[in-house]
Amino acid sequence: GQQLNQSPQSMFIQEGEDVSMNCTSSSIFNTWLWYKQDPGEGPVLLIALYKAGELTSNGRLTAQFGITRKDSFLNISASIPSDVGIYFCAGQRGRNRDDKIIFGKGTRLHILP
Amino acid sequence: KAGVTQTPRYLIKTRGQQVTLSCSPISGHRSVSWYQQTPGQGLQFLFEYFSETQRNKGNFPGRFSGRQFSNSRSEMNVSTLELGDSALYLCASSPDPYTANTGELFFGEGSRLTVL
Repeated sequence: GQQLNQSPQSMFIQEGEDVSMNCTSSSIFNTWLWYKQDPGEGPVLLIALYKAGELTSNGRLTAQFGITRKDSFLNISASIPSDVGIYFCAGQRGRNRDDKIIFGKGTRLHILP
Repeated sequence: KAGVTQTPRYLIKTRGQQVTLSCSPISGHRSVSWYQQTPGQGLQFLFEYFSETQRNKGNFPGRFSGRQFSNSRSEMNVSTLELGDSALYLCASSPDPYTANTGELFFGEGSRLTVL
């Protein structure tokens, strides 16, 4: 079945550092999405990417849709304590009624005091 | 605008029992998806409903079932519970998938099920 490989599984960083995480697949996806889940909450959409090569920013977050359509990257600049949480990549192969959205296993971000 | 509401938030069951979880989507949203979240496997897709019809289904056994009502509210049921069913069950709604298939899902806070 379709799988998204997300790495790293967890990260421990100092406040102020930049963060990079990525997601890869053996299949082509036409939509890539990045979600964040705060403790005790459901995931919330951060960035959606719809075109190969697309680079999109949302504040300190920047995500890219890989040119091969098989990967995506999320960068967080100058991390702050509220960035703590689990970041999920998600992909959708097509945009028709049969294309479910599948998720990676998540990257858990910890910020050291 | 009220968000996605899931009930109950927490529940404890024993092996062999069955459980029903409820989800009320955002007003106007007609698509409801269910995901199982466990620490080792992340978010696993269970099924999606639109206009009271199951549109898509993940790779879960038949013990997992769901339905959607005419007001778009959805329920999922797990019968003959197993220890491995302990998880956070997340419901997500989205607008009409035929006209707004942007991939944006609006999640509820989840129902945390513990099976003893």
